[in-house]
Amino acid sequence: NAGVTQTPKFQVLKTGQSMTLQCAQDMNHEYMSWYRQDPGMGLRLIHYSVGAGITDQGEVPNGYNVSRSTTEDFPLRLLSAAPSQTSVYFCASSYKLPQETQYFGPGTRLLVL
Amino acid sequence: RKEVEQDPGPFNVPEGATVAFNCTYSNSASQSFFWYRQDCRKEPKLLMSVYSSGNEDGRFTAQLNRASQYISLLIRDSKLSDSATYLCVVNMRGRALTFGSGTRLQVQP
Repeated sequence: NAGVTQTPKFQVLKTGQSMTLQCAQDMNHEYMSWYRQDPGMGLRLIHYSVGAGITDQGEVPNGYNVSRSTTEDFPLRLLSAAPSQTSVYFCASSYKLPQETQYFGPGTRLLVL
Repeated sequence: RKEVEQDPGPFNVPEGATVAFNCTYSNSASQSFFWYRQDCRKEPKLLMSVYSSGNEDGRFTAQLNRASQYISLLIRDSKLSDSATYLCVVNMRGRALTFGSGTRLQVQP
């Protein structure tokens, strides 16, 4: 199994550009989530999904959209990038519940100029 | 006040030392507790869950004090490979996890 994969690894955007961060898992996990990690802030939850077709907002959802059309994929869309969205983004998955072991992807480092 | 608070460190300890980290959480209704480990510029990985009665995994011991709302992680006989950031994680709202900002440990030869 590849586990949780994320693409791209690095990205530089200009303010106002849009992009999609890809996340996929091959473990048949139902629960998937997106976090951002900033220095001194810890990981903060952006959006999460408890199964295909079901998504919900986390702590910091503004400026981001998600969809979950399949069990495997959970893309994160930045609608109009801002410098405040410069961060490291992690996707994670678990079998059904957040209380279960979370498996994280390797992260995407995003710089917005 | 942060929902999950940790001392950021760094904790600099010699090899073989015993080191302990604490973490406090604000929501008394929190249900599940974990320690994750994160190496520099890598993704977090589960180190261990924390159970009410306390639990041990090799050199690592985790304890939960619900009355005082804190959890702890004790590392015995520290190894160079233990150098990492340790994240305290709490399940407060059922469907999501809340992460502390982490405690950095540096084990020195």
